[in-house]
Amino acid sequence: GAVVSQHPSRVICKSGTSVKIECRSLDFQATTMFWYRQFPKQSLMLMATSNEGSKATYEQGVEKDKFLINHASLTLSTLTVTSAHPEDSSFYICSASPKLRGENYGYTFGSGTRLTVV
Amino acid sequence: DAKTTQPPSMDCAEGRAANLPCNHSTISGNEYVYWYRQIHSQGPQYIIHGLKNNETNEMASLIITEDRKSSTLILPHATLRDTAVYYCIVRGGIQGAQKLVFGQGTRLTINP
Repeated sequence: GAVVSQHPSRVICKSGTSVKIECRSLDFQATTMFWYRQFPKQSLMLMATSNEGSKATYEQGVEKDKFLINHASLTLSTLTVTSAHPEDSSFYICSASPKLRGENYGYTFGSGTRLTVV
Repeated sequence: DAKTTQPPSMDCAEGRAANLPCNHSTISGNEYVYWYRQIHSQGPQYIIHGLKNNETNEMASLIITEDRKSSTLILPHATLRDTAVYYCIVRGGIQGAQKLVFGQGTRLTINP
C-alpha cells in the first residue's frame, strides 16, 4: 500500500532558528501533498497544498513566508518553519495524493513531526 | 465540500460493536463520505469511504442512509486499540488532489 514517510518525528529548536520537515512518498508518485498542523486537543488544520513543480497554495491565515514549502520532485515535499517561535510548537503532518490511482482509498498520512520551539 | 457533524465523544465496551454517527445533510450528489481515525500522536489512518452504497472492509462497515444525509461507521468488535478520534469527512470525487478538511471528530473510548 501507499506509504508516506515523514522526518524527523520529533525536533526541538531554539527560538529564531529554522526547521525543515520532509515528507516522502515511498512507493508512489505524488503530484500533490498537503501539510497540516495540529495543536493539542484540536483537530488537524490544513495549512497548504504542495504542488510538484509549482508554488504551494496556502490556506487563509497561513503565512507563506514563514512556512516555506518546496515540492521539487514527485516523491518529496519539504516544509520549512522559518524564524520559529514558541507559538509555532505543534504537531505537523503531511499527506500525499497519488498521481495515478484507480479506486481511491483516500489520502495517506505521514506519522507526523512534533516541533517544540524553546 | 459539505460540512459534517459528529458527537464529540462516545464510549463503547470492548468486544461490542461501536457505532459512530455522522450527519452531512448538505452533501451533494458527487461527494463521497470518508472516515479516518487518529490514534494519539500519530497521523490519521484511512478506514473506509463510500458514495451511496453500504461498504465493508476488514476494518469497518459504513452505512449510508438512502437520502445520504447521514452515515454510521461500525466497528463490529471493538478492541482497546480502537480508542482514537474518528473523523467523518465529505469530499467531492475520488480522483485528483482535492484537500481533506477535518472537523472536530468523535473521540471514541473503548473500555475494558
